[in-house]
Amino acid sequence: AQTVTQSQPEMSVQEAETVTLSCTYDTSESDYYLFWYKQPPSRQMILVIRQEAYKQQNATENRFSVNFQKAAKSFSLKISDSQLGDAAMYFCAYRSGYNFNKFYFGSGTKLNVKP
Amino acid sequence: EAQVTQNPRYLITVTGKKLTVTCSQNMNHEYMSWYRQDPGLGLRQIYYSMNVEVTDKGDVPEGYKVSRKEKRNFPLILESPSPNQTSLYFCASGRGKETQYFGPGTRLLVL
Repeated sequence: AQTVTQSQPEMSVQEAETVTLSCTYDTSESDYYLFWYKQPPSRQMILVIRQEAYKQQNATENRFSVNFQKAAKSFSLKISDSQLGDAAMYFCAYRSGYNFNKFYFGSGTKLNVKP
Repeated sequence: EAQVTQNPRYLITVTGKKLTVTCSQNMNHEYMSWYRQDPGLGLRQIYYSMNVEVTDKGDVPEGYKVSRKEKRNFPLILESPSPNQTSLYFCASGRGKETQYFGPGTRLLVL
């Protein structure tokens, strides 16, 4: 089974600064999808960004961007110009491209944003 | 409004008392799935369904049952709940290789 590792249980960032959340994964597949989800205190799971493994270009969504290193099996999330509303749990997730019904999540990183 | 709904949102029960958590989606999605979220473990997949009458086990299926008799509904059944099933449960749905959409979550406490 695939595994997803988030080695930073908790991080802090000053408002308006940049922070990077780390995620590594283990797989023998060549076709897969990677996601970052945000979970604010409301517990709702919100998709932040997604990356297809066959695309070399890193995905970006406004202030959120990823650094996808396929050979290193690394998928980090960069948040620029951090805002108080970015404070949440962030989960990295892997979806198989062969059995796309299977999802694997990391243990999460709690991001604190200091005013 | 496109959404995934779960009921109840909060539930306190006792060991051994059968319960069902309902999940419904209005997006005509083929795929539906159940997860449990526990501190330090992230989300773990319990069961998933590729279409009506087609279900399969995820990573932590023990103690749970599911059924998919209609495309829109995917209930999670705990026949004999135990305290180790105390958790936050999420239902999700999706189509093909698109992303999945999550319900609001159900917080379950088993005493």
